[in-house]
Parts: sequence; C-alpha cells; structure tokens
Amino acid sequence: EPEVTQTPSHQVTQMGQEVILRCVPISNHLYFYWYRQILGQKVEFLVSFYNNEISEKSEIFDDQFSVERPDGSNFTLKIRSTKLEDSAMYFCASRGQGVSPLHFGNGTRLTVT
Amino acid sequence: AQKVTQAQTEISVVEKEDVTLDCVYETRDTTYYLFWYKQPPSGELVFLIRRNSFDEQNEISGRYSWNFQKSTSSFNFTITASQVVDSAVYFCALLLLGGKLIFGQGTELSVKP
Repeated sequence: EPEVTQTPSHQVTQMGQEVILRCVPISNHLYFYWYRQILGQKVEFLVSFYNNEISEKSEIFDDQFSVERPDGSNFTLKIRSTKLEDSAMYFCASRGQGVSPLHFGNGTRLTVT
Repeated sequence: AQKVTQAQTEISVVEKEDVTLDCVYETRDTTYYLFWYKQPPSGELVFLIRRNSFDEQNEISGRYSWNFQKSTSSFNFTITASQVVDSAVYFCALLLLGGKLIFGQGTELSVKP
C-alpha cells in the first residue's frame, strides 16, 4: 500500500540553525499538509498546499516557516532560524481528490537545543 | 467555532473490558467529515474511520464500533474486549471544507493485562 514517507526520522539542531524536513507524499495525491505535535499535546495544523501554492496556513506558520514542492515528488518544510519551542514531531500528510482521509507520514522528531 | 473536544484525557482499563472514547465537535458547516486516528507509542498516526455528516449509520469493524449522533454532535468510538495492543492515543478529527483537519486533544488509552 502506498505511503507517505518522511526523512529524517529524528533531527537534532542548534537554536538559530535552519532545518529542512522532507516528505514524499503518495504519488497521485494532490493536497499536502504539514502538522506539528509538541510532546504530549494535540496535533496542530501548520499549512496546506495545493496546486503549487499555500492554500491555508495557521498562526503558527510565521515568516520563519516555508514550504516547497521543488519537484514532482518531494514536499519540504523549512524552518529558517529554529527556536527551542520548535521542538516537536512534524507530520507530513497528503490526500487525493474529493473528501478522502489524510494519510500521514511517520513524522520527523525535531529537537532544538 | 470549529473545534473537536475529547473530554477524556486518559482512560485505563483491564484487558477484555469494553471502553468508549467520547468525541464532541462543533462546526458551522452543514457538510463535514469526522475521523478517528490512532497514535500508538511508536508515534505514527493511523487512520481508523471516516464518517460524513449525512450518514448517521453506526459502523462496526471487528472489535471497533462507532456511534455518530448528529443531534448531540458526537462521534464516539467503542473498543469491545480491549487488548493490550489497543494502548495508544486516539484522536478524533473534523475535516473542514477547505481540507484542513482539526484534531481533538486526544485520549490516551491504557489497556493493562
């Protein structure tokens, strides 16, 4: 069964450094998402992406964040200058046409020290 | 407001007990979709079920069953004869028309042998 893949599974970075989290959505999916889950808390929406542009973003998704679909398969989340509070699990998700469930990757655990 | 409330933060049961996880939602949309996801200790998010606002028929899948009551805006999830492998955090989620998924706070289920 096709799945969403995320790399790396765990990233440790120093405060102020840039990180890029990578995702390969399911190949025929059209809608892409990033979510964040701070340890022990609920899963929070960051951004949705469709037709090569951001369709919606949350208040969390400030100027430090950006997303890109550089080619036909990858979908990346960049955090320009990481802060301690960016430490969380970041989930990529994709879905197909119509009302279909979001399929999530296994997540990237980001630790900012 | 568009939100999902899972009032039970933690539930602990003994194996073979039945357990119901509550979910109450709020939305101004007349067409909407509700989901349940499971997050086992390994951290990934696993899709369990989708239900649309026009379909109030209850569903059973093995030991899992779901009770959707539009009149009370509830979408409860019951596990019959619980097993240790059911131990996880369970999230109820509401899909908004723009495609954004709003999660509840999650209920941590612990099934003890």
